[in-house]
Amino acid sequence: GQQVMQIPQYQHVQEGEDFTTYCNSSTTLSNIQWYKQRPGGHPVFLIQLVKSGEVKKQKRLTFQFGEAKKNSSLHITATQTTDVGTYFCAVTNAGGTSYGKLTFGQGTILTVHP
Amino acid sequence: EAGVVQSPRYKIIEKKQPVAFWCNPISGHNTLYWYLQNLGQGPELLIRYENEEAVDDSQLPKDRFSAERLKGVDSTLKIQPAELGDSAVYLCASSLSPENSPLHFGNGTRLTVT
Repeated sequence: GQQVMQIPQYQHVQEGEDFTTYCNSSTTLSNIQWYKQRPGGHPVFLIQLVKSGEVKKQKRLTFQFGEAKKNSSLHITATQTTDVGTYFCAVTNAGGTSYGKLTFGQGTILTVHP
Repeated sequence: EAGVVQSPRYKIIEKKQPVAFWCNPISGHNTLYWYLQNLGQGPELLIRYENEEAVDDSQLPKDRFSAERLKGVDSTLKIQPAELGDSAVYLCASSLSPENSPLHFGNGTRLTVT
């Protein structure tokens, strides 16, 4: 089945510092989605990446899809306390038995100290 | 637009008792998902519906879990009998189409089995 690994599992930063989480797959991906879940809340869709090497930006957030379409990163510049939460990647395989199935990573928990 | 609506928000039951969760997806969303989320983990798919058809229920423990979406709109997920290990958050999500579409999650039902 699909194997997706997110690192780090936890990240503690001071407000204003940058933050990056990585998502790595053992297989080539069709696309990848990123979600944010605030404490006590539900996952909320942030963005989807489809093309090899794609880079998308949302204000202080930068999302990148690897050239081989096996990994992705989410980078937050100058974190704020509102960035606190768990960031999940969710991947769809390009083929094989898991084709079309969306699989979530275990998430990276971000805490921001003011 | 109204979001995905789930009820109840919380449920506490004793083991061996039955329990049911209800979900009303976003209007027009043909695809409906039930996910299970344990503390500190990413959502895990239990079942996916395309309209009223269950197209992926490979991760649903069919000895005790059942689900239905009779009219292709709202859905119920049932556990009978519940076990201690079923304590988790049960998330419902919907999307416009089965592939490459963002998932919109409900607030979830937090189940505690004592």
